[in-house]
Amino acid sequence: NAGVTQTPKFRVLKTGQSMTLLCAQDMNHEYMYWYRQDPGMGLRLIHYSVGEGTTAKGEVPDGYNVSRLKKQNFLLGLESAAPSQTSVYFCASTGQYNEQFFGPGTRLTVL
Amino acid sequence: AQSVTQPDIHITVSEGASLELRCNYSYGATPYLFWYVQSPGQGLQLLLKYFSGDTLVQGIKGFEAEFKRSQSSFNLRKPSVHWSDAAEYFCAVGEVVGTYKYIFGTGTRLKVLA
Repeated sequence: NAGVTQTPKFRVLKTGQSMTLLCAQDMNHEYMYWYRQDPGMGLRLIHYSVGEGTTAKGEVPDGYNVSRLKKQNFLLGLESAAPSQTSVYFCASTGQYNEQFFGPGTRLTVL
Repeated sequence: AQSVTQPDIHITVSEGASLELRCNYSYGATPYLFWYVQSPGQGLQLLLKYFSGDTLVQGIKGFEAEFKRSQSSFNLRKPSVHWSDAAEYFCAVGEVVGTYKYIFGTGTRLKVLA
């Protein structure tokens, strides 16, 4: 089992560019999440999904969109990147006993 | 609303000393409680979790945590710290039912002196 994987690992964007972050899990988990981590602020929930075809807003959803077309994949999109979106992004999925499994993160810089 | 407070941003201990990291939560019912550890440049790894039952839970790497309902606390402890324990530690509370959303504290960065 690979667990939770994220691509890419690093990315640099210019303001206004778009990109999609891919999260994949091979544990057959129903629930998946996208967080951003900024210094001194812990992890903040951007969007989450409780199953294939469903998504919901978290704490900081503005400027992001998500899709869960397949159960194993959860995509996070930035339509028009802004410097405030410079962060480390983590994907997670929830297991049978409600613990979260995290991916290794994507470090995004927006210039 | 749910919230998690980790009052210590940084903690420094000597190798071999005991450790306690504080976590206080606000939640309407008995929550799911978690401690995660994050090494630099890595994702988060689960140390231990509490759902119900025995209020003292054991985790990996020699860590334990005690759930105290009266104090709304879930402090993490380790009797003897190793240099490899230097990392950032996050406490989290999860919804028992429904959305399974999680709220994370802002983290405590542990430094271990040789």
